[in-house]
Amino acid sequence: QKEVEQNSGPLSVPEGAIASLNCTYSDRGSQSFFWYRQYSGKSPELIMFIYSNGDKEDGRFTAQLNKASQYVSLLIRDSQPSDSATYLCAPPLPTAGNNRKLIWGLGTSLAVNP
Amino acid sequence: DVKVTQSSRYLVKRTGEKVFLECVQDMDHENMFWYRQDPGLGLRLIYFSYDVKMKEKGDIPEGYSVSREKKERFSLILESASTNQTSMYLCASTVTPEIPEAFFGQGTRLTVV
Repeated sequence: QKEVEQNSGPLSVPEGAIASLNCTYSDRGSQSFFWYRQYSGKSPELIMFIYSNGDKEDGRFTAQLNKASQYVSLLIRDSQPSDSATYLCAPPLPTAGNNRKLIWGLGTSLAVNP
Repeated sequence: DVKVTQSSRYLVKRTGEKVFLECVQDMDHENMFWYRQDPGLGLRLIYFSYDVKMKEKGDIPEGYSVSREKKERFSLILESASTNQTSMYLCASTVTPEIPEAFFGQGTRLTVV
């Protein structure tokens, strides 16, 4: 099975700092990745997805994908206490005829301290 | 707002019972998924469905079956519940592969005693 790996943390940053979350993946065929945020006891919610090499910015969030290094990252600028959550790095969900056995990362726990 | 609704937030069942977990989405989504989430193991795909009556096995289908008789509803069935099926169960849906956002239900925390 092809895996996505993340540092489980916890990652602790002060309010206003940049939080950097990373994951690596083993499947060279992976074309896109998704970052979900999951608050304790809640379901994951999508915050970013990235298809191509390079950076993608959305507000305080920047996703980076480096296909050559098989590396994905998420930067959160001006971190807020409300960003405290677990961040999941995920491959695309499977589709009909493309049930690629890609395993989700376990998630990185982020704590933003006021 | 997209809504994916799971029938129960918490369930307690006895070993050997047949358990039904229901999921309904209101956005005419093609694809629906059942995951379970366990500490240290992350999200693992049990089954998914890309159309009515169509299903494919995920990573851990053993002990589970699914039913999709209508597009909006995807059911997960535990044929004979066992204690190792105690978990958080998450249903998700997506529109198409080209629109990748997964919408998750609120989750069902199932305890098998």
